[in-house]
Amino acid sequence: NAGVMQNPRHLVRRRGQEARLRCSPMKGHSHVYWYRQLPEEGLKFMVYLQKENIIDESGMPKERFSAEFPKEGPSILRIQQVVRGDSAAYFCASSPRVSGIMNTEAFFGQGTRLTVV
Amino acid sequence: GQQVMQIPQYQHVQEGEDFTTYCNSSTTLSNIQWYKQRPGGHPVFLIQLVKSGEVKKQKRLTFQFGEAKKNSSLHITATQTTDVGTYFCAGLISANKLIFGAGTRLAVHP
Repeated sequence: NAGVMQNPRHLVRRRGQEARLRCSPMKGHSHVYWYRQLPEEGLKFMVYLQKENIIDESGMPKERFSAEFPKEGPSILRIQQVVRGDSAAYFCASSPRVSGIMNTEAFFGQGTRLTVV
Repeated sequence: GQQVMQIPQYQHVQEGEDFTTYCNSSTTLSNIQWYKQRPGGHPVFLIQLVKSGEVKKQKRLTFQFGEAKKNSSLHITATQTTDVGTYFCAGLISANKLIFGAGTRLAVHP
């Protein structure tokens, strides 16, 4: 059972370009989280999705950022018109279907390091 | 907004000394989880606490969940250089939303 797969591992974009970050959750996992981490800082919640649904996007910037988790295929975090301040590590985590408050362990991918030049 | 506060931000210890990091939430948590992130790596799940007052141990690591389910701690006894990394607590706030603390970065000097 492969772990959470994120690609690319490293992404360099010029200011104004678009960045697309992909996350394939573990098999059988229907919940996906996206977090952003600046160097030597904590994990900032961005968005929580289930298949075809955005459950909580309270951590997403209002503009330029969007996320989806389609019925088929990976979850995508899309950043339009990137700026230097978008440079960070973006981590995806998946968790299995939840029953009550159990089984909510999150499995993280290795992250995508985005550098905007 | 819902926050999970974690202290200290940094901790430097000599190998063999103990280490503790503390986590506090502004709201009652459904459960608390702890993760470790090695430098350059990704967060890795350590443990989950669910019950009020729960205490769990993993070798030299002791995890506690407060009676009010608003605070938690991680204590490492006799630190080793392999303990180096950042330790995050994460609170399950509602509807499966995991909010992470800012982390405590542990440096262990041999």
